[in-house]
Amino acid sequence: GDQVEQSPSALSLHEGTDSALRCNFTTTMRSVQWFRQNSRGSLISLFYLASGTKENGRLKSAFDSKERRYSTLHIRDAQLEDSGTYFCAAVPNQGGSAKLIFGEGTKLTVSS
Amino acid sequence: DAAVTQKPRYLIKMKGQEAEMKCIPEKGHTAVFWYQQKQSKELKFLIYFQNQQPLDQIDMVKERFSAVCPSSSLCSLGIRTCEAEDSALYLCSSSRDWGYEQYFGPGTRLTVL
Repeated sequence: GDQVEQSPSALSLHEGTDSALRCNFTTTMRSVQWFRQNSRGSLISLFYLASGTKENGRLKSAFDSKERRYSTLHIRDAQLEDSGTYFCAAVPNQGGSAKLIFGEGTKLTVSS
Repeated sequence: DAAVTQKPRYLIKMKGQEAEMKCIPEKGHTAVFWYQQKQSKELKFLIYFQNQQPLDQIDMVKERFSAVCPSSSLCSLGIRTCEAEDSALYLCSSSRDWGYEQYFGPGTRLTVL
């Protein structure tokens, strides 16, 4: 079935450094969302994109508007509070359901 | 921020018992989704309601779960006979319409003993 391949599965950063997460989709997607999940399980929506790029503070996300088969999340100047598990999720272009298909997550650890 | 509410936050059941959890979607949202997450891994889609009608669900839900949205402000997900493999975090989300951004509740953590 439709799949979302997220990488890396784990990432360790020092404070102040930059990095990027990526999700590849096995089929074209209508939209993508990026989430951060904290230790209590709460899932916070970071970005929702139907195309193009969005930026919020030190986070920036892009969704390939042409082929609609990958998305990235850039973290600039990583801080301790950025630690958590990040998930991308996307809605397939085909089919009538609006369900999100999730990647396996990236566990991010930021250290001083 | 969106405010999807879920109750209870924690639920403990014995094998064979029935379980029920509730979700109050964001006011005005017409789409409600349920997902299951085991051991902090990827979320697995369970069922999707649009205007209180189920439009998509996986086979496991058809066979062992009961899910309804009796009103636009309340949905519930039930497990008729709990099994150990049902232990998971159950997350509800809502969006203002088909295909829009989904906002998640805090989840119900079910433990089946």
